[in-house]
Amino acid sequence: GAVVSQHPSRVICKSGTSVKIECRSLDFQATTMFWYRQFPKQSLMLMATSNEGSKATYEQGVEKDKFLINHASLTLSTLTVTSAHPEDSSFYICSALRNTNEKLFFGSGTQLSVL
Amino acid sequence: GENVEQHPSTLSVQEGDSAVIKCTYSDSASNYFPWYKQELGKRPQLIIDIRSNVGEKKDQRIAVTLNKTAKHFSLHITETQPEDSAVYFCAVMEYGNKLVFGAGTILRVKS
Repeated sequence: GAVVSQHPSRVICKSGTSVKIECRSLDFQATTMFWYRQFPKQSLMLMATSNEGSKATYEQGVEKDKFLINHASLTLSTLTVTSAHPEDSSFYICSALRNTNEKLFFGSGTQLSVL
Repeated sequence: GENVEQHPSTLSVQEGDSAVIKCTYSDSASNYFPWYKQELGKRPQLIIDIRSNVGEKKDQRIAVTLNKTAKHFSLHITETQPEDSAVYFCAVMEYGNKLVFGAGTILRVKS
């Protein structure tokens, strides 16, 4: 099956710093990637849709200036959490779409802890 | 947008018994319904999915049924084993290939 790599798997940072998370599709080209956030004991909530070569589309309530998304190539999307605060601590997970009407493939997730 | 409701929130069964989890959705245009199993700190793992042109799909001990008229679909796990214990999420794909997830069901299989 298709492989989606996400890095880092875990990051601890101080409040006010920025954190970059990478999502790579290793064996296919993904024109569309999605970023989700999951708080403890809760479901996955879609944050934004990342389209290669264009601006990301953010879900209602997600601050685009705080969660910067870049999809510069067909195999890489990055999420940067800017000026992170403790309330941003969460499990962030990406998914990639190989082709329309195909399954979504998930990255391994990034556990962000902001002190 | 799509609204997905999932029940029950927790489910305890005895090893060997069956488990059933149900989800309802709101958008009749949705046509792809996957089920995911997630263990703590891990990525969601696709266990079975169904498209709207079929009513039922089975893969060994796991099956999914879909009622498009009533807008609900269910996950059935038979002969449950302790390793089936996890959180299960249903999802519905809406316009733009976006997945909307249910709230999740914690399944505990007691041995």
